[in-house]
Formats: sequence, structure tokens, C-alpha cells
Amino acid sequence: DTEVTQTPKHLVMGMTNKKSLKCEQHMGHRAMYWYKQKAKKPPELMFVYSYEKLSINESVPSRFSPECPNSSLLNLHLHALQPEDSALYLCASSQVPGANNEQFFGPGTRLTVL
Amino acid sequence: AQSVTQLDSHVSVSEGTPVLLRCNYSSSYSPSLFWYVQHPNKGLQLLLKYTSAATLVKGINGFEAEFKKSETSFHLTKPSAHMSDAAEYFCVVSGGNNRLAFGKGNQVVVIP
Repeated sequence: DTEVTQTPKHLVMGMTNKKSLKCEQHMGHRAMYWYKQKAKKPPELMFVYSYEKLSINESVPSRFSPECPNSSLLNLHLHALQPEDSALYLCASSQVPGANNEQFFGPGTRLTVL
Repeated sequence: AQSVTQLDSHVSVSEGTPVLLRCNYSSSYSPSLFWYVQHPNKGLQLLLKYTSAATLVKGINGFEAEFKKSETSFHLTKPSAHMSDAAEYFCVVSGGNNRLAFGKGNQVVVIP
């Protein structure tokens, strides 16, 4: 299995809602990433987990809360988001941490905040 | 810190003609370099990567790229464009801080 899966594909939420994005990989990768991508822009790194521990937080607002329950799963908990948080959220994984290693991307979750 | 410059944010090519996407990088380290493709409403797919082995790198779907250290370039080429090549292409460089630096992307349009 060489896939990174993400659910849901689309999510619409109000500013007072709480929701979660889910990412899963079964490639035995030990690094997992969350990116945010606005239209016509490159992805922006949000968080990196290395061996299930948070290693990088790119000064992301606390309304985004990542979680890595095990080596195959990565969640992004959302609470009290703003309309400007609407974007494509991409999950990625790599065999081991380190930017020299290729990252495998999931298809993304298209988030709309009303 | 590492950075990537992709000129020509929009590139139009006729089907069957060559594709050239230019990428120049800056890095304090011996970099790894990647080209990713993103089709509309999809995630990123790795086309090819350079990691200090052969300077001419062959990727999927007929793409290849040549690493030129003296020119700090990693241009992507394909001899003959296909309609399915219409997508966004990102040149990406790794660095020593466990982060990737993405270029701004090339939007490729293929004209029938």
C-alpha cells in the first residue's frame, strides 16, 4: 500500500463548530506532516510529527490542534476557525524524518469555513 | 536558508511539443531536489527527485530533469506534451532544517 488517505474529502463548518481531519498511511513511515494550501499557491507547512512526537509547529494558531495517536494515523482537530482558514489541507508522510526524503501526499481535505 | 525560483507562472504548450519548466534554487547545503505535479483538486504527486546521484534524473510519465550545480538549476523537460500533463508543477528543494522549500509553481496549459 503506497497511499496516503485523507477523510473527509470536503468539509464545510461554521466558526463555532469543532471538527477533525484524518490522515492514514500504511507504508511504515515514521514522519507525518500537515500542510495548508490556498488556491494557486504552494503548500505551507503547519506541523511535523517524527516518530509520533510533534517536532515542528510553524507558529500555527491554537485553533488547529494536531494529534498523532499511532505511527499510521494523524489527526488535525479544528475549533473556532475563521473564514480565512478555508483551504485545501494536505497530509504527507515520509519514511523517516528529514527533508531529503521524498514525501508522499494525500489527496487533501477541502475545508470551507462559513 | 534554501529557496526556489520558478519563472513563468503560466506556461502554454501545444500537444506534442516539448515542455520546459525552469527551476533555480539556492541552498546552503548539498540539496535534494524534487519536482511534484498537482492536478486540479488533487494532492501532490512526485515526478522525480535528485539526491546527489546521477545528474540526469528520469521520472514518471516521460519527464526528466537535469541537475546543474554550476547554474544552480534543476529544469524539468518532456519531449512531447500530452493533454494529461495540464496541471500545476512545483519545484522543491530540501535543506538542513527538515523543511521543504516550494517554488511558486508553474501552471501548465496544453493546447490541443
